[in-house]
Amino acid sequence: EVQLEESGGGLVQPGGSLRLSCAASGFTLSSYWMHWVRQAPGKGLVWVSRINSDGSNTNYADSVKGRFTMSRDNAKNTLHLQMNSLRVEDTAVYYCAREVDRTPGRWFDPWGQGTLVTVSS
Amino acid sequence: DIQMTQSPSSLSASVGDRVTITCRTSQTITTYLNWYQQKSGKAPQLLIYAASSLQSGVPSRFSGSGSGTDFTLTISSLQPEDFATYYCQQSYSTPRTFGQGTNVEIK
Repeated sequence: EVQLEESGGGLVQPGGSLRLSCAASGFTLSSYWMHWVRQAPGKGLVWVSRINSDGSNTNYADSVKGRFTMSRDNAKNTLHLQMNSLRVEDTAVYYCAREVDRTPGRWFDPWGQGTLVTVSS
Repeated sequence: DIQMTQSPSSLSASVGDRVTITCRTSQTITTYLNWYQQKSGKAPQLLIYAASSLQSGVPSRFSGSGSGTDFTLTISSLQPEDFATYYCQQSYSTPRTFGQGTNVEIK
C-alpha cells in the first residue's frame, strides 16, 4: 500500500526551530517530486514547498522562503522540512504529498495524515 | 502566481441533490486542474485529476469538467458521506495553488 507518514510536529516558541519528517512506503520515493502543504486551524490548504526527485531543486512559498528548507533521503525513503525562525502564523497541520506526473496531468496522491505544528509562547 | 477563485465558499444541500462547485483560474491552465475532498480532521483525498478524470475508487456520482480557466465539480446525487470540504488545485505551474474551499453542509 502506498503511504506517507509525517512526524516531528509539536509546540515550539516563536523564533524556534522544528524538523518535520515524512516516511514513504509502498513506492519508490526517488521516482517522484514531493510537496509539503499546510493548513492553519479552520483555514484552507496552502502549498509550502516542493523538491524534485533527486533533491537538486527546491521551491518555496514566499511566506517561508529563507526560513524553511526541504530535503530528501531517497535511500531512507524519507523527506524532511527544516523550519527555522518560526512565527505564530506558521501554526498549522503540515501534510506531505506525492505528486504523480502522468499524462494527462499532475496531481497529489497520496497525502500523509498530517502533523500539527503549534508556534506559541 | 496563478490565483484560484472557488465558489461558493459554502452551500447547504439535501441528500439526493445535485451539487455544482466552480473554480476559476487567473490564467489558462489547460486541464491541469484537480479536485480534492477533505473530511473533518482528515487529510485531503484526490477525487478528480486533469479536470475530468475520476480517481480510482471514487464513486461515479462525482464528475469534473472544464478547460482553460473555468472548471466545475459536480456531485450528481449527494450522499451522506459526501458532506465535506472540497478544494480545487492547479498543477500547471509552481506554486501549486488551491482554491479557498467549498464546505458542503447538510440542509
